[in-house]
Parts: sequence; structure tokens; C-alpha cells
Amino acid sequence: DGGITQSPKYLFRKEGQNVTLSCEQNLNHDAMYWYRQDPGQGLRLIYYSQIVNDFQKGDIAEGYSVSREKKESFPLTVTSAQKNPTAFYLCASGGGNQPQHFGDGTRLSIL
Amino acid sequence: GQQVMQIPQYQHVQEGEDFTTYCNSSTTLSNIQWYKQRPGGHPVFLIQLVKSGEVKKQKRLTFQFGEAKKNSSLHITATQTTDVGTYFCAGDDYKLSFGAGTTVTVRA
Repeated sequence: DGGITQSPKYLFRKEGQNVTLSCEQNLNHDAMYWYRQDPGQGLRLIYYSQIVNDFQKGDIAEGYSVSREKKESFPLTVTSAQKNPTAFYLCASGGGNQPQHFGDGTRLSIL
Repeated sequence: GQQVMQIPQYQHVQEGEDFTTYCNSSTTLSNIQWYKQRPGGHPVFLIQLVKSGEVKKQKRLTFQFGEAKKNSSLHITATQTTDVGTYFCAGDDYKLSFGAGTTVTVRA
């Protein structure tokens, strides 16, 4: 979607390594979200942030961490504690009874 | 917590036929949103329903919100190959709960 930029598009993680996925938005949205999508499945919420310097755990937060130091940015770190990180990660902004706008996603794989 | 269920999980449709996908929530929803994800792409917002019994149309797509605001449906008429993809419903406020989606394939 225009306005949400995720990078990189593809990412490979070695055992024991932390990796960070970038998400930037220029839509001036207060709320931002991270979802995980596994093949043939729906979207599961990892973390969300309704305002700068505040974020909440979603349904599957274990093994992940986030920060929200700027309104435009909501990076996600996949830590070594996440034992099954291979998935498609989607960042979104909006919400609060308004549509969510999604980025193009990052595909993370294990080396 | 809230759960949103979608049926069917897969829908194989002959081009030109109609079909319906359903979304059911375990709790009353304040609103429901529908998204479409093309293969290899990301979800794209289609529509939001807010009022009990609301019906909205987008060309060949008809969306309905149940009277009790716990279920919704998407009906597509005269299916085309461009309708291929996964359709998700999502309910509630900041913390949207997405259904598992209905993946649609079309036989030409």
C-alpha cells in the first residue's frame, strides 16, 4: 500500500541471531501493527502501538520485541527466543474503527 | 477473547458462478472489515460495515452485516478470474481479529 514501507522484502536468519524488520509510514496514523502470516493461514497479531512510546502485546508476542520512538516508525525484532520464525510478516497502520493499510511484507526464513 | 471464524476455508468456483463466504464472531462486533489478499501480495481493504443489518455493494460484491452484529457475509456474483485471492474478515476496534480467510480459486 502507498504510505507503508517495509524492508527488507526477504530476510534470512541464522540460528541464535536477532533480526530487525523495518516498518515506516507517512500516513500520519497514530496506530501501527505487526502481524505474522503462515502459509494458508490468517493474520495473527504480534504487537500493536496506539501512540508513540507505547505498545501492547498481541496474541503471539513471545520471542518478539518492538519499539515506537517515532510516530512514523515501528520496527519489529525477531529474537533468538522465537524458535519458529519462518513466516510472512506484515506491518499495518490505521485502525481504531478505520481501515488498516498494509505494507508489502517481509518474508523471513531460517538459514 | 474474541474469535472470528470464516467458512469455507477454500472455495473453488467455475467462472461465471456465484458464491458466498461467511464470517462468524464469538462476540458482538462494533464493526467488521473485509480485506482481499492476492497471491503473493498483502491484504487490501475492501469495505467496512458498522450498522446492524447493513448491506453494501461494490460492483459484483455484496457485503452484509448481521442483525446481531456477530456475523457477516460476502457474496460474489458472476465470478471472474480477477476475484482469485484470499478474503479476510476482521472485527472489532484497535485490536482487529482476523479470520483465517477464504481462499478462492477460479476455473476458467
